[in-house]
Amino acid sequence: DADVTQTPRNRITKTGKRIMLECSQTKGHDRMYWYRQDPGLGLQLIYYSFDVKDINKGEISDGYSVSRQAQAKFSLSLESAIPNQTALYFCATSDYSDTQYFGPGTRLTVL
Amino acid sequence: AQSVAQPEDQVNVAEGNPLTVKCTYSVSGNPYLFWYVQYPNRGLQFLLKYITGDNLVKGSYGFEAEFNKSQTSFHLKKPSALVSDSALYFCAVRDRGGGGADGLTFGKGTHLIIQP
Repeated sequence: DADVTQTPRNRITKTGKRIMLECSQTKGHDRMYWYRQDPGLGLQLIYYSFDVKDINKGEISDGYSVSRQAQAKFSLSLESAIPNQTALYFCATSDYSDTQYFGPGTRLTVL
Repeated sequence: AQSVAQPEDQVNVAEGNPLTVKCTYSVSGNPYLFWYVQYPNRGLQFLLKYITGDNLVKGSYGFEAEFNKSQTSFHLKKPSALVSDSALYFCAVRDRGGGGADGLTFGKGTHLIIQP
């Protein structure tokens, strides 16, 4: 969905490096989410945000942090990347209808 | 706690035949239920959702799903499959009584393969 963009689309990094994944949306939604997808495991929620002043941990937040810089921007950081954080990362937004709209994903490889 | 099960890793269907992708869920209250589709190298696309009302929900690309409360199921169906329907399908649930903007809980996904 072009209304939700993620940068970078692909990233290869080394163990111990700090990485930031960025998400921007033009849908005007208050709610934003970060998920990771691993083959055979579906999507797992990392963090979510109701609005700029509200950040909540999801089911797998350890090793990750987030920043909601504005209504339209929600960044995910890996403070010290490790190989088992190799995955496909998705940002999503939703309005009060609960339907979530996903970005195209960032493929992260940690060597 | 909420959970979703998609019992089939892969479903194979001949083009033109009806298809069903199974989903069962568990929530403590009443559910919001969703189906998403993921094509290779793409994000998830919303197909349809059940919030309340009619148990048969119609969505994009000719797909529909039937909410069955007694069986806690929300199977995805299509009367006549197309090769272009081949993709990875995810069922997702949120407890309606959960409050707030909790993320959805997703199943592990089912690969749907439509054979010409």
